Amino acid sequence: AQSVTQLGSHVSVSEGALVLLRCNYSSSVPPYLFWYVQYPNQGLQLLLKYTSAATLVKGINGFEAEFKKSETSFHLTKPSAHMSDAAEYFCAVSMGGAQKLVFGQGTRLTINP
Amino acid sequence: NAGVMQNPRHLVRRRGQEARLRCSPMKGHSHVYWYRQLPEEGLKFMVYLQKENIIDESGMPKERFSAEFPKEGPSILRIQQVVRGDSAAYFCASSPPKLAGGPPNEQFFGPGTRLTVL
Repeated sequence: AQSVTQLGSHVSVSEGALVLLRCNYSSSVPPYLFWYVQYPNQGLQLLLKYTSAATLVKGINGFEAEFKKSETSFHLTKPSAHMSDAAEYFCAVSMGGAQKLVFGQGTRLTINP
Repeated sequence: NAGVMQNPRHLVRRRGQEARLRCSPMKGHSHVYWYRQLPEEGLKFMVYLQKENIIDESGMPKERFSAEFPKEGPSILRIQQVVRGDSAAYFCASSPPKLAGGPPNEQFFGPGTRLTVL
């Protein structure tokens, strides 16, 4: 069965610092991977996705993620955090092209001024 | 082009009542998904529908829960005889049809319905 693990339910960084949110997956078939952001009392918005093209994927708001098959990881990064990045971030996986998404537990990102 | 619409945004029910959650997909999208988010947890897949057809209901509880997506009108998630454990945020997403053999299409999420069972 597929699964997604997000290491760290809460991450806190200073404004201007590097943001690193970790995501590992388990899969018996090539996965498709996604990062979503959720602002308070809102739905999820897609940040970026990996669909077996380039392993380094660039998304919106300056975020990017790198697919590392050997490490079964898809960590999300942003070089310089902004106050508006404070939100909950979810990693999700689709196995074998299925439309059903399996989500991680989420990581709440706090930005300190 | 309106996004995915869900109503109501907040719903309060007493134990034993029925809850009906509605979802109108984005224009041009014929596929709808329902997810449930319990407090302090990630989203859990419930059901995947296209018009008049359930594609995958592997995440639906066996009892009290049902979903439909009729030819006309919104998709409905129905919870009968609600219990306190049903309190959660229910999110609907929609997408265009997936091409055979291709990657999954992006799912666009609605703002959710927050169900509180007293």
